[in-house]
Amino acid sequence: GAGVSQSPSNKVTEKGKDVELRCDPISGHTALYWYRQSLGQGLEFLIYFQGNSAPDKSGLPSDRFSAERTGGSVSTLTIQRTQQEDSAVYLCASSLAKGAGRDVGNTIYFGEGSWLTVV
Amino acid sequence: AQSVTQLDSQVPVFEEAPVELRCNYSSSVSVYLFWYVQYPNQGLQLLLKYLSGSTLVKGINGFEAEFNKSQTSFHLRKPSVHISDTAEYFCAVRPAEKLVFGKGTKLTVNP
Repeated sequence: GAGVSQSPSNKVTEKGKDVELRCDPISGHTALYWYRQSLGQGLEFLIYFQGNSAPDKSGLPSDRFSAERTGGSVSTLTIQRTQQEDSAVYLCASSLAKGAGRDVGNTIYFGEGSWLTVV
Repeated sequence: AQSVTQLDSQVPVFEEAPVELRCNYSSSVSVYLFWYVQYPNQGLQLLLKYLSGSTLVKGINGFEAEFNKSQTSFHLRKPSVHISDTAEYFCAVRPAEKLVFGKGTKLTVNP
C-alpha cells in the first residue's frame, strides 16, 4: 500500500484479555518498528525487526508483550492478560534498511496507530 | 545512552507570530536528528532531518531547524505560523537503527 497500515484503529478490551494489533508496512520496507505512545510518557520504543535478523526486543516492557513478523512483511503485536496501564496508542513504522548501521538517514514512516483502551 | 529533552511541553502562540520549539540532546556518538509532527488523531510525519553538512535544515510547511553541536541543540523554528500548524512536535535522535524521541511539544496556534 501507499503507507503503513494498522488495524484495528481502535480497540476497547477488558482487563485480563489478550489483544492482537496488526501492522502492514510499506511494500519493500525491510525494517519494521513498534512504538507505544502514552500520556506523559512520550514515544517508547518496543521492538525492531530487520530482514531475517533476530529482532531487537529491548523495549518490550514485560513478558506479556510479544511480536512477530511473518514472511518479512506483516507484523502482529500481542499483549497478553492486558492491564489498564497498557492503554496507549501503539504505532507501527517501517523504513528501507540495509542494516549494519548504514541506514540512519533513511526516513522512518509511521502508521496512524492503534488506540488501545483497557477497561 | 542517547536522550532528547524538549524543554517546553506546551507552546501557545498567535497566528502569524514566529515560533521556536526547543530540543536538546545527549549522545556519545555521531547524531542524526529529526523533527516529526503529529496532527490530531494521526500518525507521525517527518518535518525535517539533519544528517550532515549545513547546520540549517529546511523542511516541509515552512519549518526549519538549526543544528548546534556546541550547545547540543536542534531547535525548530517557523517565522509565521498558521492555525493549521496546531499539532504535537517531536524531536528525535537516531544513533543507530531506532529513533529515540523527546516527550513532545504541543503547539497551539490561536487566531
